[in-house]
Amino acid sequence: GQNIDQPTEMTATEGAIVQINCTYQTSGFNGLFWYQQHAGEAPTFLSYNVLDGLEEKGRFSSFLSRSKGYSYLLLKELQMKDSASYLCASMDSNYQLIWGAGTKLIIKP
Amino acid sequence: DADVTQTPRNRITKTGKRIMLECSQTKGHDRMYWYRQDPGLGLQLIYYSFDVKDINKGEISDGYSVSRQAQAKFSLSLESAIPNQTALYFCATSDLTDTGELFFGEGSRLTVL
Repeated sequence: GQNIDQPTEMTATEGAIVQINCTYQTSGFNGLFWYQQHAGEAPTFLSYNVLDGLEEKGRFSSFLSRSKGYSYLLLKELQMKDSASYLCASMDSNYQLIWGAGTKLIIKP
Repeated sequence: DADVTQTPRNRITKTGKRIMLECSQTKGHDRMYWYRQDPGLGLQLIYYSFDVKDINKGEISDGYSVSRQAQAKFSLSLESAIPNQTALYFCATSDLTDTGELFFGEGSRLTVL
């Protein structure tokens, strides 16, 4: 079956670093997406990985290991505005996205 | 103005009523999607369309129907709303020639009493 697992909730401190993990099982694989979603708002695109390795984009980085079915999103220099849910999604062989339930990240001062 | 626009943004209705959620986009994308989001669950795909003459069921299409009136317009209908269809609904578009990134509308919050 197809499945995406990520932690339900994480807490971190302003200015610190946090890593949000995601494991996936999909039929075929055409990439791994991370989206950010503030409460009551639409998801917005953060990153896309299709090859193994680390992609860095400012304070956010995303890592992929295809052999392990594993990805993480790394957020550095956390700011209060980073409090949001982070959604992991894997694209299957039909180019459809399989979504995780999201990780709610709480930032404390 | 938003590239993907949903109307209405909020709607309260009663069981048995017919409801239509509309979505229009100015991104020129061929692919359009309707998702449902419930607290604690991932986004669930209701229907998707790869072009005007293409309509496909997603994982939770029962109780819903769609219409792709034009490349820019994709409507979702609930023929006879029931309380467990209370949810946040998102329309999204994508262009497969790119990474397949989805661009979402602002969402339509539907409450069925």
